[in-house]
Amino acid sequence: IAGITQAPTSQILAAGRRMTLRCTQDMRHNAMYWYRQDLGLGLRLIHYSNTAGTTGKGEVPDGYSVSRANTDDFPLTLASAVPSQTSVYFCASSTSGGEDTQYFGPGTRLTVL
Amino acid sequence: GQNIDQPTEMTATEGAIVQINCTYQTSGFNGLFWYQQHAGEAPTFLSYNVLDGLEEKGRFSSFLSRSKGYSYLLLKELQMKDSASYLCAPMDSNYQLIWGAGTKLIIKP
Repeated sequence: IAGITQAPTSQILAAGRRMTLRCTQDMRHNAMYWYRQDLGLGLRLIHYSNTAGTTGKGEVPDGYSVSRANTDDFPLTLASAVPSQTSVYFCASSTSGGEDTQYFGPGTRLTVL
Repeated sequence: GQNIDQPTEMTATEGAIVQINCTYQTSGFNGLFWYQQHAGEAPTFLSYNVLDGLEEKGRFSSFLSRSKGYSYLLLKELQMKDSASYLCAPMDSNYQLIWGAGTKLIIKP
């Protein structure tokens, strides 16, 4: 079944540890996105990629890095996790970086202690 | 700055009609999306409006007025499964979605 997968589903992490959230899509979408969702707030864009080999910063990029080595994968890395990075992380993809509909993965619930 | 305003919570009765309003201010505009998000799940696409007027899709309709910075989502013949959060998201001049905090819709029998 075509779609977006994320791993892990949930994770508890000690502060200061490094963590990579994985995202894979099989829809051959060019654009991919990472969002975080916190209670009472709208989704906030962390990083995006309009095509393989390119990435851009969103609204809240500090403390996060991404890479886009190929079309399918878009991992998000927290170099040294802090408690304020406790959140639900959603990966999304769209056909292009324009006004195309974004489709979301199931999310990763991350807790940093 | 960019801002989205929608009610935090609404309650409606099964079988009824409910209208969820959204006002927005963005730097440029490339259309407005509505998403549905059930608790603990990912947002799923409902509708996209780029021109003024009403778009109807089954029990759900979405309206846009660009001059007023206003949109609404209309849900008819409400079902219990419609209990969810509804997210308004206009797209700015950089093609980035600006997300509201969402409206939690509670359906009562």
